[in-house]
Amino acid sequence: QVQLVESGGGVVQPGRSLRLSCAASGFTFSSYGMHWVRQAPGKGLEWVAVIWFDGSNKNYADSVKGRCTISRDNSKNTLYLQMNSLRVEDTAVYYCARERKGAGTCFDYWGQGTLVTVSS
Amino acid sequence: DIVLTQSPLSLPVSPGEPASISCRSSQSLLHRNGDTYLDWLVQKPGQSPQLLIFLASNRASGVPDRFSGSGSGTTFTLEISRVEAEDVGVYFCMQGLQTPYTFGQGTKLEIK
Repeated sequence: QVQLVESGGGVVQPGRSLRLSCAASGFTFSSYGMHWVRQAPGKGLEWVAVIWFDGSNKNYADSVKGRCTISRDNSKNTLYLQMNSLRVEDTAVYYCARERKGAGTCFDYWGQGTLVTVSS
Repeated sequence: DIVLTQSPLSLPVSPGEPASISCRSSQSLLHRNGDTYLDWLVQKPGQSPQLLIFLASNRASGVPDRFSGSGSGTTFTLEISRVEAEDVGVYFCMQGLQTPYTFGQGTKLEIK
């Protein structure tokens, strides 16, 4: 069965960096676009970034552009989000999500999330 | 950015009764390929979001047929024909037409 398992969250001071990982299993990872979506405590959902199946194209929300880099290692079935110059407002649960094939842009599987807390 | 506005934001429903959630988009979600890029998700308490409906009216795998999605252009509706206790959660609409992909504010469904 499809599984997405995020890791790498934690408490970090403003201005520092963090790298999130998402380990995928149960499907051909290299065939799917992948996304990061975040949810601040008690708030709604915010799309963060997307990477195409082969890593050839990436796109970011304005709120993280220039500070975050999405990447993937298809040989390791793993998605990453490198987050630099972290701000208090980046505090959120970060989910990785798989983009369903042939269905527009929709997310058919989500991980359990990893909590990032930015605080001094 | 495309703005999605949901209503109501809170929805108390008695078991067995129907429920309806509206999602309005600031621009048409019709893709040039003829599909409409509007999805519905639900986040049950303590869980990750899960896909309910994609391309406005298609139920995701395993979703009960009491859930249905309809609409076109800028106006969409999620309907639950008979609410069950397990349907408690926050329902979001999402547009996948253009980046940044955006979500509605969420509608919290609770059982009366």
